[in-house]
Amino acid sequence: NAGVTQTPKFQVLKTGQSMTLQCAQDMNHEYMSWYRQDPGMGLRLIHYSVGAGITDQGEVPNGYNVSRSTTEDFPLRLLSAAPSQTSVYFCASSPTHDGNTEAFFGQGTRLTVV
Amino acid sequence: AQSVTQPDIHITVSEGASLELRCNYSYGATPYLFWYVQSPGQGLQLLLKYFSGDTLVQGIKGFEAEFKRSQSSFNLRKPSVHWSDAAEYFCAVDGGYNKLIFGAGTRLAVHP
Repeated sequence: NAGVTQTPKFQVLKTGQSMTLQCAQDMNHEYMSWYRQDPGMGLRLIHYSVGAGITDQGEVPNGYNVSRSTTEDFPLRLLSAAPSQTSVYFCASSPTHDGNTEAFFGQGTRLTVV
Repeated sequence: AQSVTQPDIHITVSEGASLELRCNYSYGATPYLFWYVQSPGQGLQLLLKYFSGDTLVQGIKGFEAEFKRSQSSFNLRKPSVHWSDAAEYFCAVDGGYNKLIFGAGTRLAVHP
């Protein structure tokens, strides 16, 4: 059972480059989200989706785009990478968008922008 | 504003000792509360959750947590810590529609 799969696991980008972080889940979950983790700040919500074709902004959306064309996939795009986007990124999914459900997390993508 | 505070950044305990990790939240309604654990280089794993009902909840790996509405707290406890419990622990509250608000985390070290 794969769960939530993120690729790549590690990435180094130069300032100004663009890239897409991939996230896929095989649990037929309705809800998917992206968080970034920075030292001393816990995880902060970037974007989320309550279903295919529906996305919305979280706490720290600037510099990131998302789309949800299928239930399984929820890619995160960095349009023009900045050093401030150096972080560990986690994708998560939940069966529904109701709060009383568990979030399942991927293994994370460690991104460094130089 | 909704928030979660974990007052202890680092905690060190001896193997076999008891453990309590503190968590305080700020949320207007009845909260959905969670504790997650993150081992080095890994994703987050759910330890336990509180939605309603019994205020003492049991989780995996021998952990438990108690919801105290009067103190806005959801502290995590374990009677006897094992070396494998060394990790970072995150308390979180659901900010509505599954949008989790995390504390800054507590890093646990276990001495043999």
